[in-house]
Amino acid sequence: SAVISQKPSRDICQRGTSLTIQCQVDSQVTMMFWYRQQPGQSLTLIATANQGSEATYESGFVIDKFPISRPNLTFSTLTVSNMSPEDSSIYLCSVAAGQGAYGYTFGSGTRLTVV
Amino acid sequence: EDQVTQSPEALRLQEGESSSLNCSYTVSGLRGLFWYRQDPGKGPEFLFTLYSAGEEKEKERLKATLTKKESFLHITAPKPEDSATYLCAVRSREGAQKLVFGQGTRLTINP
Repeated sequence: SAVISQKPSRDICQRGTSLTIQCQVDSQVTMMFWYRQQPGQSLTLIATANQGSEATYESGFVIDKFPISRPNLTFSTLTVSNMSPEDSSIYLCSVAAGQGAYGYTFGSGTRLTVV
Repeated sequence: EDQVTQSPEALRLQEGESSSLNCSYTVSGLRGLFWYRQDPGKGPEFLFTLYSAGEEKEKERLKATLTKKESFLHITAPKPEDSATYLCAVRSREGAQKLVFGQGTRLTINP
């Protein structure tokens, strides 16, 4: 299955600033997914990123707050903009492995704390 | 709307004490039910995919089963290293590639 490298692994940021999270995959993939895991909660899909097109956002998430780039088939970034303490979460990227038959592979996550 | 409910929220077992975790789901056209293991500070690690009622998959001490309404993750003779949060997720026909996750079961195996 694919191997995902996610950076940074953790960060502490001031409110009102922005953080860009990088996700690098060791193979070409059509879709990349960005999830949020709030403290003590499960994973919630933020958006799906296809190469060469605008990302598709889930209800409750907007592009101005979470802009996503997908410049090629192995890389994507998620920016958390104008951060507030409520944005403190773990952010994870994910890709489908083998048509989904082998599940979806996740990165190790970015633990974000906003102070 | 697709929904996944896991129970119990937390489970503490003694080493060797077998048990089962439950995942109840409501989905419009199941396209896969997934089990993941998540260790603290790490991303979810894929365990199993189940597609149709009656299907079973096994890996070491873990066995996953599926009915039309729920899935069970059976843990046989667990060891302390099996301690983790176990997540269940579904992919539906309506949701395309989206996974909807349950809240997870935090499993602790005491030596």
